[in-house]
Amino acid sequence: SQKIEQNSEALNIQEGKTATLTCNYTNYSPAYLQWYRQDPGRGPVFLLLIRENEKEKRKERLKVTFDTTLKQSLFHITASQPADSATYLCALVQDDKIIFGKGTRLHILP
Amino acid sequence: GAGVSQSPSNKVTEKGKDVELRCDPISGHTALYWYRQSLGQGLEFLIYFQGNSAPDKSGLPSDRFSAERTGGSVSTLTIQRTQQEDSAVYLCASSLILAGGQNTDTQYFGPGTRLTVL
Repeated sequence: SQKIEQNSEALNIQEGKTATLTCNYTNYSPAYLQWYRQDPGRGPVFLLLIRENEKEKRKERLKVTFDTTLKQSLFHITASQPADSATYLCALVQDDKIIFGKGTRLHILP
Repeated sequence: GAGVSQSPSNKVTEKGKDVELRCDPISGHTALYWYRQSLGQGLEFLIYFQGNSAPDKSGLPSDRFSAERTGGSVSTLTIQRTQQEDSAVYLCASSLILAGGQNTDTQYFGPGTRLTVL
């Protein structure tokens, strides 16, 4: 069955640098991938969606890439700020099912 | 409010009791999802409603779990004879199904109900 793998270890990045988070999947390429942000005690909030025929998507300081050859999506936050500290979840959509990764905790250090 | 709401926000119950969790989706959102998130774990899909029907119940962990949705809006998730392993945050999400049946699949989540079974 399809599995999503995100780095379970927390990522510490200095403020102002670019943070890059990785999402790998194991089987067939999904129709599209989504990225969500989750703060402690809150539900996830949708950030970006990228389709399998798109290589890159941008929204303000966020950039997502989708490489179906590597079976990987990268999520970048440029000019990172302490307020970007949160857990970021990757989710893939395939055959009307949505599967979430466990998320990666990101800490932006001032 | 404009967002997804859930109640109660916290529920502490004794093992063996039944609990009922409620979700109010965004008005007009036809699709409704229930997930469970245990500490340090990812979101575990439980059930999906399209309107009042549930085409996908594959995620319900046991027959102690059931969910219903009436009027195409509010949904309740019921856990009977709760066990300690049921302790988790239960999240509800809704999404818009456009005319023609295309589901945008962008999900809007509620704040969750934290269930603790003693």
